[in-house]
Amino acid sequence: NAGVTQTPKFRILKIGQSMTLQCTQDMNHNYMYWYRQDPGMGLKLIYYSVGAGITDKGEVPNGYNVSRSTTEDFPLRLELAAPSQTSVYFCASSYGGVGYGYTFGSGTRLTVV
Amino acid sequence: DAKTTQPNSMESNEEEPVHLPCNHSTISGTDYIHWYRQLPSQGPEYVIHGLTSNVNNRMASLAIAEDRKSSTLILHRATLRDAAVYYCILRDGLSGANSKLTFGKGITLSVRP
Repeated sequence: NAGVTQTPKFRILKIGQSMTLQCTQDMNHNYMYWYRQDPGMGLKLIYYSVGAGITDKGEVPNGYNVSRSTTEDFPLRLELAAPSQTSVYFCASSYGGVGYGYTFGSGTRLTVV
Repeated sequence: DAKTTQPNSMESNEEEPVHLPCNHSTISGTDYIHWYRQLPSQGPEYVIHGLTSNVNNRMASLAIAEDRKSSTLILHRATLRDAAVYYCILRDGLSGANSKLTFGKGITLSVRP
């Protein structure tokens, strides 16, 4: 029972490069989320999805894109990486209702230099 | 979603109970109180949630004030592994699944051996 799996765990990007952060869940959750966490701060929502084919912006979507072609996968794309995107990225999934908790992955630590 | 206020930090001794407070004076009648914790270098982990009544699970207990303007997360016997950042979060029951987790800075719990 893997839960939420994120890859890679660590990555260093040069300014202007692009990359995709992968997220997969095996719990058949409809809802999936991407958060970023800057040092000493709480998590901020980037994008979320309520099901395959449906995505929406969160609090800090600029510089990112997402897609949701299957229930299991929710990749996050960074285009033209900037130093301000240096952060730890967490993916999460949930059944959706307020009575359910979120399950988070272990994170991807990204540094843009 | 209504806001919560938590102390920045708290210390406890190993094997003693810990009471982590959270104030939410503007809570509405449909807001659920959720607690998550984040161990060092890991993603957040769901701990417990409640609406009006006190709740217990294998990880912790949640005590909710009668007027619901505050709540307390209780760890019955702290271990070194409980050292983490604990987040108290309100989720609007009327919004249902559209009520997403919004993280503040949380309270940092240190546990002394």
